[in-house]
Amino acid sequence: EPEVTQTPSHQVTQMGQEVILRCVPISNHLYFYWYRQILGQKVEFLVSFYNNEISEKSEIFDDQFSVERPDGSNFTLKIRSTKLEDSAMYFCASSETDKPTGELFFGEGSRLTVL
Amino acid sequence: GEDVEQSLFLSVREGDSSVINCTYTDSSSTYLYWYKQEPGAGLQLLTYIFSNMDMKQDQRLTVLLNKKDKHLSLRIADTQTGDSAIYFCAEREGSGGYNKLIFGAGTRLAVHP
Repeated sequence: EPEVTQTPSHQVTQMGQEVILRCVPISNHLYFYWYRQILGQKVEFLVSFYNNEISEKSEIFDDQFSVERPDGSNFTLKIRSTKLEDSAMYFCASSETDKPTGELFFGEGSRLTVL
Repeated sequence: GEDVEQSLFLSVREGDSSVINCTYTDSSSTYLYWYKQEPGAGLQLLTYIFSNMDMKQDQRLTVLLNKKDKHLSLRIADTQTGDSAIYFCAEREGSGGYNKLIFGAGTRLAVHP
């Protein structure tokens, strides 16, 4: 069964460092997303991406964040200068359609710990 | 802004029914979802309900929607140990596209013998 894969599963970094989280969405999907969950809190929408551009982003997704689909298969989330409050589980998701009945398929998540 | 609230923990005995509750604030939500997360796995869509329905049943799962009270529940009949997981309630933000879902914090369901 096709699945969304994410790497790394866990990354520890120092505050101020750049981090890139990688995702391989399901191959025929056209819509891509990043969500995150700070420990004990809600899963929060960060950004959606379609047709090689950001289609929607939340207030959390400030200038420190960027997304890219560099090679037609990977979908990356970059945090330029990490802060302690960026520590969270980051989930990548993809979908075939943006219709509400279309299922989002989530990866297992990348846990980011900022020290 | 939109908000989704759910209780954080539920413990049930194997074979009993589980009821996981959720409240949401966006009255314009048209679709509401239940996702399941097993240990070490991503969120997986369990079921969804359209806002013009008040009930949806799918095998052991029953979703009840009270649109007036903005209350959603997920009932799992004959709960098994394999149902132990975190269950997330989510609403699709207003009329927005691009699958911007508003999630709750998740309810951890523990099933004991």
